[in-house]
Amino acid sequence: QSALTQPPSVSGSPGQSVTISCTGTSSDVGSYNRVSWYQQPPGTAPKVMIYEVSNRPSGVPDRFSGSRSGNTASLTISGLQAEDEADYYCSSYASSSTFVVFGGGTKLSVL
Amino acid sequence: QVQLVQSGAEVRKPGASVKVSCKASGYTFTAYYLHWVRQAPGQGPEWMAWINPNSGGTNYAQKFQGRVTMTRDTSISTAYMELSGLRSDDTAVYYCARDADDYGDFSYYFDYWGQGTLVTVSS
Repeated sequence: QSALTQPPSVSGSPGQSVTISCTGTSSDVGSYNRVSWYQQPPGTAPKVMIYEVSNRPSGVPDRFSGSRSGNTASLTISGLQAEDEADYYCSSYASSSTFVVFGGGTKLSVL
Repeated sequence: QVQLVQSGAEVRKPGASVKVSCKASGYTFTAYYLHWVRQAPGQGPEWMAWINPNSGGTNYAQKFQGRVTMTRDTSISTAYMELSGLRSDDTAVYYCARDADDYGDFSYYFDYWGQGTLVTVSS
């Protein structure tokens, strides 16, 4: 069982927007600005899409945005494209010993 | 360009050990922490450990303490992860991943990942 809770799946049509939630606790997501989101197409390594709650690394389209409210972080993908179809994982700093914890993943289907 | 290239897939019997390598290129190996993250089939990733390639210092998740050992060889820019006492639930893809911070601190996210090494534990 993963430390952070994500919906197993979300879907949307091309051009639409979808939001993926990531629920933690006041000991991780709710306490630190160290929430990240990763995209993982099948058979590939994860790729960071958002770091520190809402920052995008260079090269990530601005269609991807992150936010947080209380113990829940969210990833929003606007203007859905077929290439966005992948598994998405959130992560958060938890403690110096645990380092980071991950969510169980959300499969995004672009219909 | 930054690359992390891992060794190939391994099959082990329960109770055995496995050692996975991660060769870095395209950046100063000693400037960034390296982490090991594993992902069991159909599961989310799980952080295991980090190594400071400069000092050799390590930190292991409590779950793996006593079973995991991280080492590095700076002459060939390569890090290693050895996991002993393998069990069937250790079957997973093991990734090395670079910490995004280059100032000797942690960013708590990973900007480059290896291609992954599938370790299968089966009798």
